[in-house]
Amino acid sequence: DIQMTQSPSSLSASVGDRVTITCRASQDISNYLTWFQQRPGKAPKSLIYAASSLQSGVPSRFSGGGSGTLFTLTITGLQSEDSATYYCQQYSRYPYTFGQGTNLEIK
Amino acid sequence: EMQLLESGGGLVQPGGCLRLACAASGFTFTTYAMNWVRQAPGKGLEWVSGITGSGDYTYYADSVKGRFTISRDNSKNILYLQMTSLRAEDTALYYCAQGPLFDSWGQGTLVTVSS
Repeated sequence: DIQMTQSPSSLSASVGDRVTITCRASQDISNYLTWFQQRPGKAPKSLIYAASSLQSGVPSRFSGGGSGTLFTLTITGLQSEDSATYYCQQYSRYPYTFGQGTNLEIK
Repeated sequence: EMQLLESGGGLVQPGGCLRLACAASGFTFTTYAMNWVRQAPGKGLEWVSGITGSGDYTYYADSVKGRFTISRDNSKNILYLQMTSLRAEDTALYYCAQGPLFDSWGQGTLVTVSS
């Protein structure tokens, strides 16, 4: 199975900051990577697919990059509503696997 | 408007069975693969199972293989997850999610396995 490792596990930042979350795959997954946001008590929401394509309706302050085994999610100009847990997921091959999550706190 | 509505969760004893359903509306159900994802209390997301649009191919996480069965009724726009030999570690909120990219999710149905 492909293992997905996110870093950091948690971070704290202020409104207006720029933050980057990293996701590393245990083997080459090309660009078959999705990023999700999950706010407390809510279902996950897809932000980015194919590593760098923004889902419809997602603010442009979210961006994704990378390919192969190393990927990033960057949020530029943090807003208070960005407080959430973020997950990466590979859909290169079954079984699909998620990263362990990154908890983002807004100071 | 696209909607996914899960049902069928509840309290079940270890070794018991449960069938979850996910009613889909607002999109052409047959053209989308579908997935089940679960989240244990306070934990991260775990992909459980997936099925192609036609229902011809199914896929499972190792943790549920041989115990869970995914299926779909394209005439009724419903996705199912039949769960047997349930264990305490299957306790989780179970979500259905649309498509290979998990574009949309339901709100989940809670399964609690406990004596």
